[in-house]
Amino acid sequence: NAGVTQTPKFRVLKTGQSMTLLCAQDMNHEYMYWYRQDPGMGLRLIHYSVGEGTTAKGEVPDGYNVSRLKKQNFLLGLESAAPSQTSVYFCASGAVDSPLHFGNGTRLTVT
Amino acid sequence: GEDVEQSLFLSVREGDSSVINCTYTDSSSTYLYWYKQEPGAGLQLLTYIFSNMDMKQDQRLTVLLNKKDKHLSLRIADTQTGDSAIYFCAGASGTYKYIFGTGTRLKVLA
Repeated sequence: NAGVTQTPKFRVLKTGQSMTLLCAQDMNHEYMYWYRQDPGMGLRLIHYSVGEGTTAKGEVPDGYNVSRLKKQNFLLGLESAAPSQTSVYFCASGAVDSPLHFGNGTRLTVT
Repeated sequence: GEDVEQSLFLSVREGDSSVINCTYTDSSSTYLYWYKQEPGAGLQLLTYIFSNMDMKQDQRLTVLLNKKDKHLSLRIADTQTGDSAIYFCAGASGTYKYIFGTGTRLKVLA
């Protein structure tokens, strides 16, 4: 049971570089989410998707873009990384009346 | 808007009971969840309670729900050092919306 898989696990970027974080789920969930977790801030929702081909902004969407071309995948892009985007990023998936399932996170450092 | 509040820290001695509290504002929450996050890992579902229940027990875990006061608690009996982690409560109202608390860091002292 893979559940929710995030790649990569760690990444270091220089300011201005771009990257894509990949999230894959094998539970046929309709909903997928990207969160960031910073010390003392809990989880903050970046973007989410309620189905294939749909995306929506969460609480802190600026500086990020997402795509959900296939139901099982949800990509998070940083076009021009900034030090303020240093964080741990979590992907989650879920369905109606069921709990969210989380990946193990991607630790991103922007220097 | 909807909000979920938790205290930030809790410290207990090994073998004691831990009680982690959570208050929420969204009365339409259908399910209320407790997640555990160990260092360097993602959030793992611990237990949940449906909104028409008052209590749920699962081995060392007891969840109490007071709908009138919108208060949720997680009791861990016989707390062990392996229980040291961050605990998140979350509410869901049968849609795609999940509201998470800020997390309570539990430290278990040997």
